[in-house]
Amino acid sequence: GNSVTQMEGPVTLSEEAFLTINCTYTATGYPSLFWYVQYPGEGLQLLLKATKADDKGSNKGFEATYRKETTSFHLEKGSVQVSDSAVYFCALILNSSASKIIFGSGTRLSIRP
Amino acid sequence: GAVVSQHPSRVICKSGTSVKIECRSLDFQATTMFWYRQFPKQSLMLMATSNEGSKATYEQGVEKDKFLINHASLTLSTLTVTSAHPEDSSFYICSALDRGQETQYFGPGTRLLVL
Repeated sequence: GNSVTQMEGPVTLSEEAFLTINCTYTATGYPSLFWYVQYPGEGLQLLLKATKADDKGSNKGFEATYRKETTSFHLEKGSVQVSDSAVYFCALILNSSASKIIFGSGTRLSIRP
Repeated sequence: GAVVSQHPSRVICKSGTSVKIECRSLDFQATTMFWYRQFPKQSLMLMATSNEGSKATYEQGVEKDKFLINHASLTLSTLTVTSAHPEDSSFYICSALDRGQETQYFGPGTRLLVL
């Protein structure tokens, strides 16, 4: 079936460290891929997206590249800040799925000053 | 980015009462909205798909008579938790589909506590 698998957290890093959160997917067809971020007590915010293979989504210093050959969409940031502490969800939408989102389980990120 | 609002942001009610949660898309028309439930430290669980002008589509295991959904306009969907019980306490999040952007935008969530 269709699914999203992301690395389990929590992930704890020091400020200015390099961040990678792994995400792989299983899907029939050609999904669009997303990263959403949830700050404490809030709803989800779209962080970035990519709609086809080799596309790179980027926002606020975060990047992720749609890799069809490895079915991956890893999230990266070169230098994290305390304000990046949040839960990050990788997700996909199948183009034929009436836009239902399939979420990964979420990865909690904590950044130490 | 697009803005989706939810009201109220927090609600506390007594067991047996009904609670209505509103979800509005503020700067685009949304023929489709979604309602999710999130338990602490868990991912979002899709409850139902709300379609403007027609009946909602519920996910397996979600009671349609308990979670009433109405999508009466292109910018508003409501979720009513009927005869709420403590086990209905949760964080409810809606999203609205912007078909032009091929993206769902999420509301800030409503925290429901049933005493």
